[in-house]
Amino acid sequence: GAGVSQTPSNKVTEKGKYVELRCDPISGHTALYWYRQSLGQGPEFLIYFQGTGAADDSGLPNDRFFAVRPEGSVSTLKIQRTERGDSAVYLCASSLSAGDEQYFGPGTRLTVT
Amino acid sequence: AQKVTQAQTEISVVEKEDVTLDCVYETRDTTYYLFWYKQPPSGELVFLIRRNSFDEQNEISGRYSWNFQKSTSSFNFTITASQVVDSAVYFCALSEAYGNTGKLIFGQGTTLQVKP
Repeated sequence: GAGVSQTPSNKVTEKGKYVELRCDPISGHTALYWYRQSLGQGPEFLIYFQGTGAADDSGLPNDRFFAVRPEGSVSTLKIQRTERGDSAVYLCASSLSAGDEQYFGPGTRLTVT
Repeated sequence: AQKVTQAQTEISVVEKEDVTLDCVYETRDTTYYLFWYKQPPSGELVFLIRRNSFDEQNEISGRYSWNFQKSTSSFNFTITASQVVDSAVYFCALSEAYGNTGKLIFGQGTTLQVKP
């Protein structure tokens, strides 16, 4: 079946602009995660959704970052007033439920100039 | 706090050699899960294995095997008879089991290069 998909695959934006990154999880997976991966590092947790609600947003670096999952399927990660330090690959993963193995999407490479 | 350490930054081997990737973890939880993921040059993380902390039995899957030792907080990964296609970055990860979100704490990764 279809895996996790993410759009766009690449996004270049200017400092100060607003961006939205989309994740479409595997059908039937209730748990959805966002991670951020900087060059040469392991992915770092940002936020976790169980269904429609953000059950754990402890990894969001500041209030410029926000994510939604209004219908319990597709999720959007929103970044306001982007900064050059936000440049990274943003990964989305889904699992049947929390604690199960997570399946990752191909990521969105965000570059803030 | 939870932490995963992969001390080997890069490993280079010649095809058909065996190679072991080390992973050491820290957690105060008595119940947790351990994972290994592969990230090939294409970039997409590929799930390899999930292990419950109560199950210390070693696992073998084809050329891959995993050695879980709770006494030393290690979960090492061995590739037997390595192949060029095994070249990738390998990540070890940890998550809590109870009352948890399932969020993964990743190590820094080990880059494996298998030369023909």
